[in-house]
Amino acid sequence: NAGVMQNPRHLVRRRGQEARLRCSPMKGHSHVYWYRQLPEEGLKFMVYLQKENIIDESGMPKERFSAEFPKEGPSILRIQQVVRGDSAAYFCASSPQDRSGTQYFGPGTRLLVL
Amino acid sequence: GQSLEQPSEVTAVEGAIVQINCTYQTSGFYGLSWYQQHDGGAPTFLSYNALDGLEETGRFSSFLSRSDSYGYLLLQELQMKDSASYFCAVKDTDKLIFGTGTRLQVFP
Repeated sequence: NAGVMQNPRHLVRRRGQEARLRCSPMKGHSHVYWYRQLPEEGLKFMVYLQKENIIDESGMPKERFSAEFPKEGPSILRIQQVVRGDSAAYFCASSPQDRSGTQYFGPGTRLLVL
Repeated sequence: GQSLEQPSEVTAVEGAIVQINCTYQTSGFYGLSWYQQHDGGAPTFLSYNALDGLEETGRFSSFLSRSDSYGYLLLQELQMKDSASYFCAVKDTDKLIFGTGTRLQVFP
């Protein structure tokens, strides 16, 4: 029973490049959440998606960031024209239903922008 | 605004009992979760309280008082492997709002 999978685990980009982070939820889970964590801080909610729908993107920066969860394939968080301040750990979580108190987290993608 | 307050650091010795408190002020509330995170690792779910009272899972217990906007995580029979950061998180409709975390250090 595979857990939440994320890749890549580590990603290095130069300023101005694009970063593409992937997340495959646990089997049977149809709800995906993305969080960002800066060093020594808690996780900050970014976006909540169901298949083919963005449900809540209130935590997502208005520019350069986008997310999708297509009918087939993983959820993708895309950061265009990365800046040094985008360096962080990006975690994906999944749950079997909304309003569930339990979200299961993937191992995260550590993004470093040079 | 939305805020969750936790102590920044707690230390204890092996075999001891530790309580990590969490007070919250959020616009919405469906329940309080606790997560453990080791350095460089992913948050691991520990417990979830939607109703007032105590939930026990092995060495860990979690308590919630919605009228006081307060909860705590109780860790018993501490082990070295319990050294980690512990986060409380409020379930607000569809998202989790995390506290800043409590770093627990367990000494032999």
